[in-house]
Amino acid sequence: ETGVTQSPTHLIKTRGQQVTLRCSSQSGHNTVSWYQQALGQGPQFIFQYYREEENGRGNFPPRFSGLQFPNYSSELNVNALELDDSALYLCASSLVGASGNTIYFGEGSWLTVV
Amino acid sequence: QKEVEQDPGPLSVPEGAIVSLNCTYSNSAFQYFMWYRQYSRKGPELLMYTYSSGNKEDGRFTAQVDKSSKYISLFIRDSQPSDSATYLCAMSGNTGGTSYGKLTFGQGTILTVHP
Repeated sequence: ETGVTQSPTHLIKTRGQQVTLRCSSQSGHNTVSWYQQALGQGPQFIFQYYREEENGRGNFPPRFSGLQFPNYSSELNVNALELDDSALYLCASSLVGASGNTIYFGEGSWLTVV
Repeated sequence: QKEVEQDPGPLSVPEGAIVSLNCTYSNSAFQYFMWYRQYSRKGPELLMYTYSSGNKEDGRFTAQVDKSSKYISLFIRDSQPSDSATYLCAMSGNTGGTSYGKLTFGQGTILTVHP
């Protein structure tokens, strides 16, 4: 049990639609990252939020956006969905400033775009 | 060329075998090295975490990091059927601060331990 919870666990969307995925970080963690994991691949870094601001982005277009709230929960928004967006979306939380800090993942949200 | 290379396998071993999983990387800035275990359709579970070069042991698991060769390994002793999963190596380039959460993953190795 990592203390990182994500919702929804599964969803199906139509190409062109928009989706919002949610994450509740582990208690005390101030940083949240989002990853996309396609079938048979390792997770790919989308972006990270620290103190409610985006702090680094991977190779993903602007239609992938996010928010971090004062309670350190977070959202991932994807606009204009494409078929290739079908994947497992993972949220991970960590604590900046602690020595030997580690990163914990939630169970993910499975997105299917049809 | 990918920053992190991991043999996807699949790897099939008998129960009780010693398993060796490996990753190579090209970015010399990587300082933190992790191994995650991922069961089918679940999120990755942190197994081992190592900072810089050296060895770390936790029960049946041993993680090794050789920064001079840009090579990391995970050894599983006395493997069990419950170890059957995908194993992901991951690494981060920051020695602290807000970049810590930006992990670069390998492709994952599918391991099956049969009774």
